[in-house]
Amino acid sequence: GNSVTQMEGPVTLSEEAFLTINCTYTATGYPSLFWYVQYPGEGLQLLLKATKADDKGSNKGFEATYRKETTSFHLEKGSVQVSDSAVYFCALEGVGGSNYKLTFGKGTLLTVNP
Amino acid sequence: DAGITQSPRHKVTETGTPVTLRCHQTENHRYMYWYRQDPGHGLRLIHYSYGVKDTDKGEVSDGYSVSRSKTEDFLLTLESATSSQTSVYFCATTAGLALQDEQYFGPGTRLTVT
Repeated sequence: GNSVTQMEGPVTLSEEAFLTINCTYTATGYPSLFWYVQYPGEGLQLLLKATKADDKGSNKGFEATYRKETTSFHLEKGSVQVSDSAVYFCALEGVGGSNYKLTFGKGTLLTVNP
Repeated sequence: DAGITQSPRHKVTETGTPVTLRCHQTENHRYMYWYRQDPGHGLRLIHYSYGVKDTDKGEVSDGYSVSRSKTEDFLLTLESATSSQTSVYFCATTAGLALQDEQYFGPGTRLTVT
């Protein structure tokens, strides 16, 4: 079946540091890949997505590239801010008859200190 | 925002009592999902619906049932609550009009079973 493995953290960084959160997946075919973010006390919201190999998703300074050869979708940001403190989830949507179901990683808590 | 509300937002109940959580959406989305979020597990799918009166099980469906009598409402019922069902429950929806449609999440319901 489908599965997602991501860095569990927690990750603690100083403001303006570089961020990488690793995500690898197992799935048949070419799934769609997502990063969702959860701010304290809120539901999840989509951060970015990529739908085919070598696609790069980007939003709010975050980027992730769909690497089929390494089955990875690592999240990066060049300079984090205190407001980026949140839990980040990597997820995939299976192909063919999945009813748009998502499989999530366990989440990575990011804390950014001033 | 996809206009998703959940009720109640917080609930404390005793072991063995029935509990119903409600998800209401105003976007006329076809697909709806119930997840639970637990530390160390990320989000896990409980049940989902792909249309009115059309539902199916997710990966952690034991002890839960769902109903969807109209497009905008998706109910999650714990027939006899147990302490292992203490969790934060999230509802999500997606239009399902195209591949890679994002899921929109509600604010969550924190359920404590004592």
